[in-house]
Amino acid sequence: DTGVSQDPRHKITKRGQNVTFRCDPISEHNRLYWYRQTLGQGPEFLTYFQNEAQLEKSRLLSDRFSAERPKGSFSTLEIQRTEQGDSAMYLCASSSGLAGVEQFFGPGTRLTVL
Amino acid sequence: DAKTTQPNSMESNEEEPVHLPCNHSTISGTDYIHWYRQLPSQGPEYVIHGLTSNVNNRMASLAIAEDRKSSTLILHRATLRDAAVYYCILNLLYNNNDMRFGAGTRLTVKP
Repeated sequence: DTGVSQDPRHKITKRGQNVTFRCDPISEHNRLYWYRQTLGQGPEFLTYFQNEAQLEKSRLLSDRFSAERPKGSFSTLEIQRTEQGDSAMYLCASSSGLAGVEQFFGPGTRLTVL
Repeated sequence: DAKTTQPNSMESNEEEPVHLPCNHSTISGTDYIHWYRQLPSQGPEYVIHGLTSNVNNRMASLAIAEDRKSSTLILHRATLRDAAVYYCILNLLYNNNDMRFGAGTRLTVKP
């Protein structure tokens, strides 16, 4: 399968713990996006990478959220000191560098904070 | 703010055409119109996109108004597998391809 993959698919953690999610984009895609989706809502854009450069991070929800893409391939999203309000689906997407093209989404990581 | 407006829900009968409307009156000249759909517990799936002209692909057709302030996704023959939430989104080309999803239209297909 050559689509976008995310790991883990489900994560249950206790409030105050740190969690890290991984995204492996489609191999030839240089753009990578993170979204958060809460129940009944559409995905909410968080951050964006072009290769290893994080070009947009102002939409990260707080300074507890950070993302990296160290070699321009896979990416990680970390949430520090998790809160119950962080419970959501975290989606990763990738795209090529062409103008206005579609984004390919992974299956998501569902986070539950107890 | 690049915002789209869609009906909350629509129903269709199986094997009939479905027209899903979307208003995007604040669209700018470089914004692409994208449609995605999402099945329960899955990530969104790309359906179709366009800039100015109508577009067709194997999944659907996209009709874009001449002033680009509205568009319609057309499923030519709805199947039960087309039941999903459909999102109409503006892809902001000069804002890092920012895509701002709304709540979408929940399509129910009746057999």
